[in-house]
Amino acid sequence: GDSVTQMEGPVTLSEEACLTINCTYTATGYPSLFWYVQYPGEGLQLLLKATKADDKGSNKGFEATYRKETTSFHLEKGSVQVSDSAVYFCALTPSGNTGKLIFGQGTTLQVKP
Amino acid sequence: DTEVTQTPKHLVMGMTNKKSLKCEQHMGHRAMYWYKQKAKKPPELMFVYSYEKLSINESVPSRFSPECPNSSLLNLHLHALQPEDSALYLCASSLQPSSYNEQFFGPGTRLTVL
Repeated sequence: GDSVTQMEGPVTLSEEACLTINCTYTATGYPSLFWYVQYPGEGLQLLLKATKADDKGSNKGFEATYRKETTSFHLEKGSVQVSDSAVYFCALTPSGNTGKLIFGQGTTLQVKP
Repeated sequence: DTEVTQTPKHLVMGMTNKKSLKCEQHMGHRAMYWYKQKAKKPPELMFVYSYEKLSINESVPSRFSPECPNSSLLNLHLHALQPEDSALYLCASSLQPSSYNEQFFGPGTRLTVL
């Protein structure tokens, strides 16, 4: 079945460091790909999305490119802030109209001043 | 209005109680979802409603009973829960149940079953 694999955390960085969180997926057809962020004690917020190969999603300095050839959707940011500390989930929705959202295990990011 | 609201924020109930969780959105979305999230885990899909009809039930025990009274409202009725059902319950909505449409999540209800 369809699945998402994320790098294990926690990831600990100093402020202004570069961030990469790896995400790979297994899916038939043409899934859409998402990154969600969850701050402590809150629900999930959509960070960015890409719906077809080679699309680049971007928001708040974060970017990810839908790479079909490597089945990847890695999250990157050039300079992290303390306020970026959160849990990041990579997710996909399979082709079709079920609306099912399949999540990776999540990666905790801690940014220290 | 671009948010999903959930009430209550916190709920403590005994194993013999009956309670309900409520979710509301006014974005004109026609798909709504219930998820269960345990600590340090990703959300797990429980139910999908598409155009007010139940379209997906992920083999959820019958002690959880969803209801969609109209296109803006989604309820989750709880009865005879077990302590292992303690979790954060998240509601989400999307324009349609399509792979292209992102889901918007509410803040969740933190449920504790004693």
